[in-house]
Amino acid sequence: EAEVAQSPRYKITEKSQAVAFWCDPISGHATLYWYRQILGQGPELLVQFQDESVVDDSQLPKDRFSAERLKGVDSTLKIQPAELGDSAMYLCASSSPWGGTGEQFFGPGTRLTVL
Amino acid sequence: GQQLNQSPQSMFIQEGEDVSMNCTSSSIFNTWLWYKQDPGEGPVLLIALYKAGELTSNGRLTAQFGITRKDSFLNISASIPSDVGIYFCAGINMIYNQGGKLIFGQGTELSVKP
Repeated sequence: EAEVAQSPRYKITEKSQAVAFWCDPISGHATLYWYRQILGQGPELLVQFQDESVVDDSQLPKDRFSAERLKGVDSTLKIQPAELGDSAMYLCASSSPWGGTGEQFFGPGTRLTVL
Repeated sequence: GQQLNQSPQSMFIQEGEDVSMNCTSSSIFNTWLWYKQDPGEGPVLLIALYKAGELTSNGRLTAQFGITRKDSFLNISASIPSDVGIYFCAGINMIYNQGGKLIFGQGTELSVKP
């Protein structure tokens, strides 16, 4: 069964360091999302891509976060410099907008701990 | 950020019991989704609802899209220990050909006693 892949699964870093997360969506899915989930809450959207273009990055803290999807397939989310408050689960999801079902499929996530 | 009101926050039930949880919003959605999340894992899609009034089942799970398009509920019948986890509702307003942002509830944590 097709799945969203993410790596690493866990990342521990010190504040002020740079971190990067990678996501490979389900093959053929044109839309890719990065969500952040704080413990005890539901995920919140950081950025949405349609192919290689950003559709929505209104909730992305652009002073320290960046995201790219250069070839419209896999994607990287970067944080530089990391802060204590960035400790969370970072989830990638993908969907196929063609046909308009809206269903988003999530990867296993990257658990980030900032010390 | 914007979130849906999901209740209850937690439930502790006996194996074999039925479970009901619901989600309400001040905004209209054109799609409702229900996910289950195990500790340390990503959410897994359980049921998707696309029309107001729609009632959809997936095994022991049944979900409904409210008539007002501002609410949804999920029922689990005859609960078993593997139903343990956190259940999230999510609403979305699809933008044709561009997907859309999921708005999540706070989650319902389900515990099942064998």
